[in-house]
Parts: sequence; structure tokens; C-alpha cells
Amino acid sequence: AQSVTQPDIHITVSEGASLELRCNYSYGATPYLFWYVQSPGQGLQLLLKYFSGDTLVQGIKGFEAEFKRSQSSFNLRKPSVHWSDAAEYFCAVGARQSGSEKLVFGKGTKLTVNP
Amino acid sequence: GAGVSQSPSNKVTEKGKDVELRCDPISGHTALYWYRQSLGQGLEFLIYFQGNSAPDKSGLPSDRFSAERTGGSVSTLTIQRTQQEDSAVYLCASSLEISNQPQHFGDGTRLSIL
Repeated sequence: AQSVTQPDIHITVSEGASLELRCNYSYGATPYLFWYVQSPGQGLQLLLKYFSGDTLVQGIKGFEAEFKRSQSSFNLRKPSVHWSDAAEYFCAVGARQSGSEKLVFGKGTKLTVNP
Repeated sequence: GAGVSQSPSNKVTEKGKDVELRCDPISGHTALYWYRQSLGQGLEFLIYFQGNSAPDKSGLPSDRFSAERTGGSVSTLTIQRTQQEDSAVYLCASSLEISNQPQHFGDGTRLSIL
């Protein structure tokens, strides 16, 4: 069974600074990988996903993530953070097998952006 | 166009009562997913539908939970004889195809059991 670890519960950065949110997964094969963002009182919004191919994935809102098989990681990055990026971020892993369409989510990283 | 719509947005009920949560997916989306989000457990998969069929019900916590989808559109999640541990935010998501995984989430139903 797959699992996800987001080591950082809470991160604070200054507006304009760069950001990297860590995600490590456990799965026996190449997984599907996702990053979602959730603002208070709202559902999740898909930022980006990795299925196959280029290991550097571009997403919405200027985010990108890199799949590193050797490190079992899928870290999310943004070169310059905006105050509106303050939210909770979830990494998720999905299994590559028909009939198993569930995602397993990490516990989330809450991002605070200081002015 | 409209996104995924869930109703009610908030539900407060007494322990032991039955509740029904509704999800209206994006028109034309064949895949529909239910997840539960709670402080203690984080985000948990409950069930997904491909059309009206639910191939994987493994995430339903107990036989008090059931879900159905009719006409390949609206889905209802029913919890019978609610318990306090059922308190959570229930999230619905839909996708054009099952292989896309949950793409579009609704804002959820916040369920509080007194």
C-alpha cells in the first residue's frame, strides 16, 4: 500500500521569497503523484500532477514539482511567493493499478506568508 | 460553468440520527469520489464511482456508511445511526475520466454530531 509523508507541518516564508514544500512517498512502483492546495473553508484545488514522462512538472499559479525516483520525493517549489499563496498544501500518491483509484494524502503543510 | 456542488454546506445532528449528503458533479464527468477530512485522520478515501458503479468501496469505515449514484450524475452519501466520530468534512470530487483521478473538488459538507 502506498503512503505519503509531508515532514513540515507548518512553514512561514516572507512574501517574495522562494518556497519548497517537501513530500516523500512509499510505493513499490512508479506512482501517480499530485499536489493540491486548500484555502480555509474550501475544497481542494489541483495544482499539478505527475503521471509519466518529464520529471519536472509545471502547474498552475507558478508552482512546479520534481519527481525524484531515487529519493522517493515529489517536492513542490515556487520561486517567489505571493501573500495569496497562504493556504494548506497536500501531497498525494495514487497506485498505478486498475481498480485501485484511491489517493493517499499526506497530513498537509500549512503555509504562512509574512508581508 | 458550475463546479462540483455539495449540499448541505453544514449539517448539525444528534447522535443516532441518519444523515444524507449530496454531491452534484460537473456535468459530463463520469468519475466521482468521496473523501473525508478530519483533524485526527487527515484526508481519507471513502468510495469512488465510475458511472453508476462503485468498484472500490474499501474506504467506507463501517456498514453504517453507504453511497449511491444515479443517472451517472448526482451522488448521495448516507450515514446511518451517526456517531460522534463521524464528525468531519465530507468532500466530493469529480473528473472527466477515472484515469484523471480527482480533479475538481467541492467545498465539502461539514458534519457535526452532537
